[in-house]
Amino acid sequence: DTAVSQTPKYLVTQMGNDKSIKCEQNLGHDTMYWYKQDSKKFLKIMFSYNNKELIINETVPNRFSPKSPDKAHLNLHINSLELGDSAVYFCASSQALAGGPYNEQFFGPGTRLTVL
Amino acid sequence: AQKVTQAQTEISVVEKEDVTLDCVYETRDTTYYLFWYKQPPSGELVFLIRRNSFDEQNEISGRYSWNFQKSTSSFNFTITASQVVDSAVYFCALSDPYIQGGSEKLVFGKGMKLTVNP
Repeated sequence: DTAVSQTPKYLVTQMGNDKSIKCEQNLGHDTMYWYKQDSKKFLKIMFSYNNKELIINETVPNRFSPKSPDKAHLNLHINSLELGDSAVYFCASSQALAGGPYNEQFFGPGTRLTVL
Repeated sequence: AQKVTQAQTEISVVEKEDVTLDCVYETRDTTYYLFWYKQPPSGELVFLIRRNSFDEQNEISGRYSWNFQKSTSSFNFTITASQVVDSAVYFCALSDPYIQGGSEKLVFGKGMKLTVNP
């Protein structure tokens, strides 16, 4: 059973288009994340949600809009795609342990977005 | 601000050699967590270890071992008797687990590409 799944795995699109990436986790975690990995493999957090509420928003352009319909899903919608948006986008989830700290983040397989 | 430095960008070794991946971190927090993740050529991110700031014991898991030294803010990772399947990009990461509102932020190093040749 896949713990954190993302669709699609590959996404090729033209500049200016709007696209969405979906993420689902079946781990029962209450926190989900989006990370961006650029062409140099640098990984950076974009957003986090806890129980459908936005917690972290790391100075991401407002063309990126995450949406969490429930705590098992966190989708990423991107408007007016630009060449610089080409990257691998990873979804992740984690759960607060008793007493506060979180367990490790479980990552999805990634979505490779190519903007032409 | 939190920062993770992986000074080595790329290492190439021959199978059965031991290899150490360095990780140095910066944080003002007294409570934090350190992680290592592996990203094989297939692209997924695989969790290897999580260590909290109060636990400085070294850890060994099979051919993998980790050396956490708070005095030098380092969390180094050694692979003993490397194998071709160890070829991957390895990321060290630091987290602040107590962000208000219930979340955790992972700050990653730039990654180190390990190539193990037969």
